[in-house]
Amino acid sequence: DVKVTQSSRYLVKRTGEKVFLECVQDMDHENMFWYRQDPGLGLRLIYFSYDVKMKEKGDIPEGYSVSREKKERFSLILESASTNQTSMYLCASSLSGAEKLFFGSGTQLSVL
Amino acid sequence: SQQGEEDPQALSIQEGENATMNCSYKTSINNLQWYRQNSGRGLVHLILIRSNEREKHSGRLRVTLDTSKKSSSLLITASRAADTASYFCATVWGTPLVFGKGTRLSVIA
Repeated sequence: DVKVTQSSRYLVKRTGEKVFLECVQDMDHENMFWYRQDPGLGLRLIYFSYDVKMKEKGDIPEGYSVSREKKERFSLILESASTNQTSMYLCASSLSGAEKLFFGSGTQLSVL
Repeated sequence: SQQGEEDPQALSIQEGENATMNCSYKTSINNLQWYRQNSGRGLVHLILIRSNEREKHSGRLRVTLDTSKKSSSLLITASRAADTASYFCATVWGTPLVFGKGTRLSVIA
């Protein structure tokens, strides 16, 4: 069965730390996405990638960067974590940009 | 980017009743998708309806799409306590999926 795995279910970091959120998919999907989810705001797209070493900014890329060195892995990087980045982070992948997404279980990040 | 907007924000029904959620959007679309999210977990894809389709069924789910009104509805028939979750619509038009804020469904046993 299809699987998207996020490395951590819960994460607590301090302000100013560099944070890495890892996501791995085992479906040979071309496309991968990072969303953040906040109460009352729904899901907002941070970054996405349609190919290895390729990345595109989503709606809220500020304060984040991404890395996609291998097809199956898409990492989200918080260069200097801030309290307003406390959120649920969701990784997803798809075969094509217009088709259904497969989501990981999410990482609840708390920045103190 | 344009979000779909679900209505109502929250819905509470008794087990066995039908639940209807609506989604309105503003742009043209390639397709519209519905997802479900159990509390604190990732989203799970339920159904995809393309812009040239008007209705689609999957088990107890029925989705309709009216592109002239830019709206879609998700009907869950004979609801169960296990259907308690948040439901999101997502639209696709040449870009990554854009999600609405969701409808929180509570099914009371």
